[in-house]
Amino acid sequence: KAGVTQTPRYLIKTRGQQVTLSCSPISGHRSVSWYQQTPGQGLQFLFEYFSETQRNKGNFPGRFSGRQFSNSRSEMNVSTLELGDSALYLCASSPRGLEDTQYFGPGTRLTVL
Amino acid sequence: AQSVTQLDSQVPVFEEAPVELRCNYSSSVSVYLFWYVQYPNQGLQLLLKYLSGSTLVKGINGFEAEFNKSQTSFHLRKPSVHISDTAEYFCAVSVTGGFKTIFGAGTRLFVKA
Repeated sequence: KAGVTQTPRYLIKTRGQQVTLSCSPISGHRSVSWYQQTPGQGLQFLFEYFSETQRNKGNFPGRFSGRQFSNSRSEMNVSTLELGDSALYLCASSPRGLEDTQYFGPGTRLTVL
Repeated sequence: AQSVTQLDSQVPVFEEAPVELRCNYSSSVSVYLFWYVQYPNQGLQLLLKYLSGSTLVKGINGFEAEFNKSQTSFHLRKPSVHISDTAEYFCAVSVTGGFKTIFGAGTRLFVKA
């Protein structure tokens, strides 16, 4: 099976812009989680989706949003970008019944200038 | 709320020596425990997990971990490391049905020749 894919792999934006990141889970996986990884804060949970429904979310401002489509693909959006949003954004998918076991994609490296 | 503490930010070790990466967690309910590895410019890869049963868990690449409920620890061990084990290792905890995983700050393992 193909692994989790994330597009794009690298992205450069300027402050105030918005960005959309995409994640395609492993075939058959219906749970998708997003994380932000920075040197200062480490790995922080953003949100988790299952069957197009957000089941949990982390402590991020409303500028961070996400959604999941009927084919389990997920997108996350960050509006009004700030310098501090520069990070590696990781997506992970999980098989049904084993939502705690996550398979990670390679991440999208976002740089905000 | 759950939390994870990785007691060492960096662990240098010589090739073929044993290594232990320490992890303590805090939770008022039963949790699942995980170790992930991250190689440079890649996503996270699951090394091993403890869900229930035997407290000694064996994972990939010769790693193992022991769940100690009384000490709330889940230390990762390998009897003989290789240069290729140089990476960052993350301990993580999740609560059944919580659909959210909390990661530790990471331990950077550096294997020297």
